[in-house]
Amino acid sequence: QQQVKQSPQSLIVQKGGISIINCAYENTAFDYFPWYQQFPGKGPALLIAIRPDVSEKKEGRFTISFNKSAKQFSLHIMDSQPGDSATYFCAAVNSGNTPLVFGKGTRLSVIA
Amino acid sequence: DAGVTQSPTHLIKTRGQQVTLRCSPISGHKSVSWYQQVLGQGPQFIFQYYEKEERGRGNFPDRFSARQFPNYSSELNVNALLLGDSALYLCASSFRTSLNEQYFGPGTRLTVT
Repeated sequence: QQQVKQSPQSLIVQKGGISIINCAYENTAFDYFPWYQQFPGKGPALLIAIRPDVSEKKEGRFTISFNKSAKQFSLHIMDSQPGDSATYFCAAVNSGNTPLVFGKGTRLSVIA
Repeated sequence: DAGVTQSPTHLIKTRGQQVTLRCSPISGHKSVSWYQQVLGQGPQFIFQYYEKEERGRGNFPDRFSARQFPNYSSELNVNALLLGDSALYLCASSFRTSLNEQYFGPGTRLTVT
């Protein structure tokens, strides 16, 4: 049972463009939604996270948009750069100690 | 500050063997979690330990076991290895029992032949 559905599976964006990755969740008890960035041969790195009491969070070029009623959240990468090329995972957790549930990942390629 | 460290980096084992993977959390972090990441998939939760006690277990067979030591480092053991156990094994640490804000190590790549 996949509790977090992520799309698209892969994404190619021109340098300077906007990368958008979407996730949908089922469990309304989730209360923390992080995004992780993973480069080949490395572990996932926490990128940005949001709680459901806000609709948007921005850190530099990275923005999370959150729609509680639709049970969806998305990552926007503004001014995408070749160095952003990596696999991105959305995740969700209930802070009452359920484990992190990850999406299947999106492989982003930013081309010059 | 050192991040989460894991050893070994790579490991090749044959079916039926046993393996032990090691993890040292970020200094001051008391919780360690283990994840299995199969190629092309997101990490799957195996165990969480906090203050040397198991706090959570994912849907993995009893061949998987773990423990946490007084210095908060941890070991993951897998017995009777199967080909399907080939994966990247990730360790993540966090300050509290909450699984928010986990920080992952680089992983151990296990290949079972």
